[in-house]
Amino acid sequence: SAVISQKPSRDICQRGTSLTIQCQVDSQVTMMFWYRQQPGQSLTLIATANQGSEATYESGFVIDKFPISRPNLTFSTLTVSNMSPEDSSIYLCSVATGASNQPQHFGDGTRLSIL
Amino acid sequence: GENVEQHPSTLSVQEGDSAVIKCTYSDSASNYFPWYKQELGKGPQLIIDIRSNVGEKKDQRIAVTLNKTAKHFSLHITETQPEDSAVYFCAASGSGGSNYKLTFGKGTLLTVNP
Repeated sequence: SAVISQKPSRDICQRGTSLTIQCQVDSQVTMMFWYRQQPGQSLTLIATANQGSEATYESGFVIDKFPISRPNLTFSTLTVSNMSPEDSSIYLCSVATGASNQPQHFGDGTRLSIL
Repeated sequence: GENVEQHPSTLSVQEGDSAVIKCTYSDSASNYFPWYKQELGKGPQLIIDIRSNVGEKKDQRIAVTLNKTAKHFSLHITETQPEDSAVYFCAASGSGGSNYKLTFGKGTLLTVNP
């Protein structure tokens, strides 16, 4: 399966600031996704990163708070904007090689703490 | 939307015993069911998956069964080892025409005692 690298692996940020998380894949993939995993909780899909167009956001997540870029088939970024302590979570990138029920593979995530 | 329930939330077994984790889903349109293992400080790792046209799938010590009528699926781990200790998540996709969106269960913390 694809090797997925996320940067940074962890960070501690001040409230009101923004952080951009990078996701790099070692091969071209059709689908890239961003998830949030709050401490001790399950995974929730934030959005699907679409190459060459705006991301598709899930209910409860908006572009102003979580802008996403996907300039090519191997790279995507998620920005967490105007952070508050409630944004403290693990942010995970996942990829799939096809659109129809193909296995999703995850990176190791970015552990974000907001002070 | 889809809702996935997972039980138990914690499971403790002795090394060598079997472990079973069960999930139910709400949307009969769901047709893909992966299982992930997440170790501390790591991302979820896909360990096995099953599609709705199959009732059972096995990979060495791990098996998954699917009952479409009852809308539930289970993970079976035999001959458990301490390195099987982790959080396990079930998921479902295919609901509502979204054939890629995964809805996850809340996870099961499996502890295998040596």
